[in-house]
Amino acid sequence: EVQLLESGGGLVQPGGSLRLSCAASGFTFSTYAMSWVRQAPGKGLEWVSVISGSGDGYTYDAESVKGRFTISRDISKSTVYLQMNSLRAEDTAVYFCARGAFSNGLYPFDKWGQGALVTVSS
Amino acid sequence: EMVLTQSPGTLALSPGERATLSCRASQTIAKNYFAWYQQKPGQTPRLLIYGVSSRAPGVPDRFSGSGSGTDFTLTISRLEPEDFAVYYCQRYGSSPGLYTFGQGTKLEIK
Repeated sequence: EVQLLESGGGLVQPGGSLRLSCAASGFTFSTYAMSWVRQAPGKGLEWVSVISGSGDGYTYDAESVKGRFTISRDISKSTVYLQMNSLRAEDTAVYFCARGAFSNGLYPFDKWGQGALVTVSS
Repeated sequence: EMVLTQSPGTLALSPGERATLSCRASQTIAKNYFAWYQQKPGQTPRLLIYGVSSRAPGVPDRFSGSGSGTDFTLTISRLEPEDFAVYYCQRYGSSPGLYTFGQGTKLEIK
């Protein structure tokens, strides 16, 4: 069974940093693209970052987080990370990790973690 | 920048009725890289449709997707009580921006 388990959420002050983790199991982690998607309270879905399933681990970020957030992965631990720096109030959201539906490409998200709440407030 | 605009914002229907949800893209979507999701309160999104019209595993056949270019539609042929939720469209896997979600359509019970 595919499972995605996020951790690392919490309360952080504006300008601060936080690192989210997503531990994956039940599939060949290295061949699937993994993304982070966020949802502000009462709002819609916003894609944040993706790391490809190919060997080079190609990454791409939404404009809203470019230069502040960094996605990475540790294949040996089947874990994807989101390093979030220079956090702003508008980054407050539940952050989901999500798996691309098929291997070796950029596909829609068929598996989602339960989400990690990040609150940016003083 | 790709923008997806969903309409209507809220749709009120009764069980058994047919629902038609629309999504319009600001640019032509390449290679039919288009999907629909369902999200119920307190739950994570569920992939319903990918590649414009392919149902994800386990999705009932009352859900169907259609469209091309910039205009896409999700149809639910006969609404069941469990279908009342928020629906999001998505462009995936191509430039610009790789992934874009629409703002959502809330399907509520009339």
